Amino acid sequence: DGGITQSPKYLFRKEGQNVTLSCEQNLNHDAMYWYRQDPGQGLRLIYYSQIVNDFQKGDIAEGYSVSREKKESFPLTVTSAQKNPTAFYLCASSIGGGDQPQHFGDGTRLSIL
Amino acid sequence: GNSVTQMEGPVTLSEEAFLTINCTYTATGYPSLFWYVQYPGEGLQLLLKATKADDKGSNKGFEATYRKETTSFHLEKGSVQVSDSAVYFCALIAWGGGADGLTFGKGTHLIIQP
Repeated sequence: DGGITQSPKYLFRKEGQNVTLSCEQNLNHDAMYWYRQDPGQGLRLIYYSQIVNDFQKGDIAEGYSVSREKKESFPLTVTSAQKNPTAFYLCASSIGGGDQPQHFGDGTRLSIL
Repeated sequence: GNSVTQMEGPVTLSEEAFLTINCTYTATGYPSLFWYVQYPGEGLQLLLKATKADDKGSNKGFEATYRKETTSFHLEKGSVQVSDSAVYFCALIAWGGGADGLTFGKGTHLIIQP
């Protein structure tokens, strides 16, 4: 079945440590996105990529980094500069940008030890 | 900038009741509108969408009409079931409106009691 796979489902980070969240899709979608979800805040866009080797900052990119070396993969690194990383992170993809529906993975919950 | 406002939850209804979840928006450019649903511990699933004024999106008994004059996209269902219990998000994406990602409302937690 085609879909988006996020791993791990739960992740713990120590203070001052970088961690990388994986997102893989086999839908052959060009566009991929990362969102952060906090309780009572809805989802906010961190980074997005419309094509391989290109990505753009979203609304809350500070303290995060991404890469898009392959069409099917869009990993997100939460750096030590992100002071409040505890959240639920969702990856999405779509055929193209604009009004194409976005398909979401099941998320990764990141917590600080 | 773009923003979406939806009614605060939780919304608690009895099975077979009529559901309305209000959603209003502000947007630069020409927005497309969406409703997504999130079940516990899962990602979001697209429920329905509308891409231009007066379009009606519908799926699984839910429907919403794109009202440009009132900048609204209210979600409705005539008879809810326990299995409809979830968090519902209204969202938009606007052509020429900046970042090419969805702008979400804060979500409405719907609880259906048997």
